[in-house]
Amino acid sequence: EPEVTQTPSHQVTQMGQEVILRCVPISNHLYFYWYRQILGQKVEFLVSFYNNEISEKSEIFDDQFSVERPDGSNFTLKIRSTKLEDSAMYFCASRPFTGELFFGEGSRLTVL
Amino acid sequence: AQSVTQLGSHVSVSEGALVLLRCNYSSSVPPYLFWYVQYPNQGLQLLLKYTSAATLVKGINGFEAEFKKSETSFHLTKPSAHMSDAAEYFCAVSDQNSGNTPLVFGKGTRLSVIA
Repeated sequence: EPEVTQTPSHQVTQMGQEVILRCVPISNHLYFYWYRQILGQKVEFLVSFYNNEISEKSEIFDDQFSVERPDGSNFTLKIRSTKLEDSAMYFCASRPFTGELFFGEGSRLTVL
Repeated sequence: AQSVTQLGSHVSVSEGALVLLRCNYSSSVPPYLFWYVQYPNQGLQLLLKYTSAATLVKGINGFEAEFKKSETSFHLTKPSAHMSDAAEYFCAVSDQNSGNTPLVFGKGTRLSVIA
């Protein structure tokens, strides 16, 4: 069964460092998303991406964040200069034209 | 704007007992509603979804949910809890079942099952 895959599963970084989280969505899906979940809190929407551009973004998705789909298969989330409060589980999701979101298993980011 | 409220951050039931996880939504348009489950150290897996067809929706692992417009609710139930049901459950709402509209999630309810 097709699935969304994410790498790395866990990354530890120092505050101020750049981090790139990678996702391979399901191949025939059209819409791509990043969500995050701070430990013990709800799953929060960050950004959606369609047709090679951002469709919608939340207040959380500030100038420190960026997304791109560099090669037609990977979908990446970059955090330019990490802060302690960026520590969270980051989930990638993809969606066909209609139907539910399919989520990856998440990338845990720990900022020290 | 849409929102979801899940009553009870933690629910504990005995094995074999009824599971009831509550979800109320707020939406200015007919909603699409989802329940996702998150097992420890795993991603989010879809349990079931309501997309304006039957109001009683059956999902995987014996779970079902009923859409009640008058109560703006979409509670998740299972007649008999199993140890393997222990997980975090998230209710989510969207105003579309297609396109790039993101899901809005509730805070989640952790289900514990006691032997």
